[in-house]
Amino acid sequence: DAGVIQSPRHEVTEMGQEVTLRCKPISGHDYLFWYRQTMMRGLELLIYFNNNVPIDDSGMPEDRFSAKMPNASFSTLKIQPSEPRDSAVYFCASSTGTGGSPLHFGNGTRLTVT
Amino acid sequence: TQLLEQSPQFLSIQEGENLTVYCNSSSVFSSLQWYRQEPGEGPVLLVTVVTGGEVKKLKRLTFQFGDARKDSSLHITAAQPGDTGLYLCAGPMDSNYQLIWGAGTKLIIKP
Repeated sequence: DAGVIQSPRHEVTEMGQEVTLRCKPISGHDYLFWYRQTMMRGLELLIYFNNNVPIDDSGMPEDRFSAKMPNASFSTLKIQPSEPRDSAVYFCASSTGTGGSPLHFGNGTRLTVT
Repeated sequence: TQLLEQSPQFLSIQEGENLTVYCNSSSVFSSLQWYRQEPGEGPVLLVTVVTGGEVKKLKRLTFQFGDARKDSSLHITAAQPGDTGLYLCAGPMDSNYQLIWGAGTKLIIKP
């Protein structure tokens, strides 16, 4: 089991540029979550998918953020245009269910917007 | 609103010492999960507690779920540098079963 795979591990970009983060969940996991982690706000759920369908995107901060899951093995989180306040570590996680089901996290993408 | 408060926020102790960190709420949770996050990595699940009063042990780590299912504790015996990390608790919301996360306890064990 390769675990959840995220790319890139680090991304440095200038304000106004488009950023795309990628995630490959664990095979067989029906749920995929995108989180953002900062020192000030901790872990925040941005959006989650069930069977490739977005279920709850209420955590997406603005229209600049969008997420897709075209198939069971791939998801993207896009920020366009990026702003310095988007700097954070973005995690993808997958699980077999919600609630009490454990989450399996990737190692994150550290995004720095200058 | 369901919230999880973790204490202390930060703890730095010497190798070999014992410690306890806490995860508290005014709300009842059906279960609570504990994760450890090491620098540069994602959180990794340590344990899930489900039954009020439950005690689970993972080597030198002992997890307890409060009788009323509103709080949990993590006790580490004879801490080692490898225990260093951010310890997070999380529990499912009643409304939509999504996880609520505590802010975490950052633990540093000095050799």
